[in-house]
Amino acid sequence: GAVVSQHPSRVICKSGTSVKIECRSLDFQATTMFWYRQFPKQSLMLMATSNEGSKATYEQGVEKDKFLINHASLTLSTLTVTSAHPEDSSFYICSAPVFARRAYGYTFGSGTRLTVV
Amino acid sequence: AQSVTQPDIHITVSEGASLELRCNYSYGATPYLFWYVQSPGQGLQLLLKYFSGDTLVQGIKGFEAEFKRSQSSFNLRKPSVHWSDAAEYFCAVASGGPLRGLIFGQGTELSVKP
Repeated sequence: GAVVSQHPSRVICKSGTSVKIECRSLDFQATTMFWYRQFPKQSLMLMATSNEGSKATYEQGVEKDKFLINHASLTLSTLTVTSAHPEDSSFYICSAPVFARRAYGYTFGSGTRLTVV
Repeated sequence: AQSVTQPDIHITVSEGASLELRCNYSYGATPYLFWYVQSPGQGLQLLLKYFSGDTLVQGIKGFEAEFKRSQSSFNLRKPSVHWSDAAEYFCAVASGGPLRGLIFGQGTELSVKP
């Protein structure tokens, strides 16, 4: 249970175009979704947190206007990279918290490899 | 500030040998700690987590980790490594509850020699 489906798995786009990445919670309602970015051979860095029905919260240094996040429903959160440039090329992963008894954890999407050419 | 340090960027072990991956954390309160594994180009799979209670935590695939508050460590161990264990391993700490996301260490790449 608690699966997050992320699409696309890979995308190549031209510099200056926009790309949308979707994350869907398949068997649970995700009121919160985290978006991480991972550069090659590096760790995952939290970019932003989206909450259903409200504005996303961005980490320091992340451009809100470049990385548009929408969380319009309890099962879908999207990240749009606007006016993409080669330096935006990265691996983007979404994640949602899941709750069980008195503990919690996180489930992750399979990631999206974005290449901007 | 909260942080996670994985001192070893790359480790190579022989198949069948034991493994220990180090993780140190900096966190003001009782930490919630996680170990994840990532295969190339893939998402993250949870190996185990520590919330409270027994400081020795058992996970999937034969992994275990021990929480040592006095050393601020949460090292991952496996008694006998398999070739399929070759991957990237990340230690992470919950940054302030389930609605705040995770802080990850830099990762340790594990290579397994035949």
